Amino acid sequence: GAVVSQHPSWVICKSGTSVKIECRSLDFQATTMFWYRQFPKQSLMLMATSNEGSKATYEQGVEKDKFLINHASLTLSTLTVTSAHPEDSSFYICSASPGNEKLFFGSGTQLSVL
Amino acid sequence: RKEVEQDPGPFNVPEGATVAFNCTYSNSASQSFFWYRQDCRKEPKLLMSVYSSGNEDGRFTAQLNRASQYISLLIRDSKLSDSATYLCVVNAVYNKLIFGAGTRLAVHP
Repeated sequence: GAVVSQHPSWVICKSGTSVKIECRSLDFQATTMFWYRQFPKQSLMLMATSNEGSKATYEQGVEKDKFLINHASLTLSTLTVTSAHPEDSSFYICSASPGNEKLFFGSGTQLSVL
Repeated sequence: RKEVEQDPGPFNVPEGATVAFNCTYSNSASQSFFWYRQDCRKEPKLLMSVYSSGNEDGRFTAQLNRASQYISLLIRDSKLSDSATYLCVVNAVYNKLIFGAGTRLAVHP
């Protein structure tokens, strides 16, 4: 079946540094990928929709300058958390679709900012 | 009001029990509906889609009531391995999923 690879799965960084998370569709092309964030005991919240070759669409309340999304190819989207702070510590997860109704998730990235 | 609401639980049940989860959604234009399962700090995995006619997959039965904007999941003969968080998910726009906060299930021996 279709696979979405997300990397890294776990990262610890100092406050003020930037962290890049990669999401790759391994055996299909994805013109659209989605980025979610999940705080402990809360639901997955859609942050943004990543569109290949164009700007990402951000959900209300998500700072586009804080969470930079680049979707430079049909198989790769990246999320960069710029100047990360402890309140950005969360579980970040991406998803992608090969074009039908099926949606495949990456394995997620646990970010801890000290 | 949240777009998708679920009872957070936890539901603590013995092995072999039958347990039911409910979910309501606010957007009447929602197109498709799903139940996902999520284990701690893992990605959610599709358990089953939900149709108005009701659908069954082994020990799992899902039901959709569009008039009441209500979705349910029934698990029969619970196994220890069923312990997880069950997410009610609604798709209002192409692949833009709205997740409920999840219902935690703990099955004990």
